[in-house]
Amino acid sequence: DTAVSQTPKYLVTQMGNDKSIKCEQNLGHDTMYWYKQDSKKFLKIMFSYNNKELIINETVPNRFSPKSPDKAHLNLHINSLELGDSAVYFCASSHQTRTQENEAFFGQGTRLTVV
Amino acid sequence: AQSVTQLDSQVPVFEEAPVELRCNYSSSVSVYLFWYVQYPNQGLQLLLKYLSGSTLVKGINGFEAEFNKSQTSFHLRKPSVHISDTAEYFCAVSGASGSYIPTFGRGTSLIVHP
Repeated sequence: DTAVSQTPKYLVTQMGNDKSIKCEQNLGHDTMYWYKQDSKKFLKIMFSYNNKELIINETVPNRFSPKSPDKAHLNLHINSLELGDSAVYFCASSHQTRTQENEAFFGQGTRLTVV
Repeated sequence: AQSVTQLDSQVPVFEEAPVELRCNYSSSVSVYLFWYVQYPNQGLQLLLKYLSGSTLVKGINGFEAEFNKSQTSFHLRKPSVHISDTAEYFCAVSGASGSYIPTFGRGTSLIVHP
């Protein structure tokens, strides 16, 4: 039973398109994240969200927006895709308030290729 | 702000040899430290974590790490590696300055040769 699941696993699209990546967690966590992993494997936080606040990395273009219909889901919507958006995007979740159990659990990633 | 430095981008080692992957963090307050492993085309899997207490932490797959507050380090070790340990390893920190968001190092590629 998958803990953090993302769909799709692969996404190939043309420049200028709008796309969404879905993420769901069944761990009962209160906080979810989106990370971007570039070609050099560097993981950069994009967003952190719980039911109280959304924290946005200020370097993330406003073409990227997280949408959370409920506590178990945090989808990533991207407008006007650019070549530089090609990367692997990871969803993750954790307990913010349980300090002894606050490690992040990751999804399998979505490899986005913009052509 | 919290940060993590992984000094080695790549560590080649022969099978059954010991290995140490280095991690240093930057913070003036208490932190939580983690090591994750990423196999090709997969997500990140937690190897071990340090929250408090004993400075020697044991994880899965025979890995262990030692927290050293004076040197702000959290190096990962394994006494004898296998081919299957070939993967990318990430050190991460959270909890500093009230920030619970994990910050990752740039990763170390462990390459185990037969």
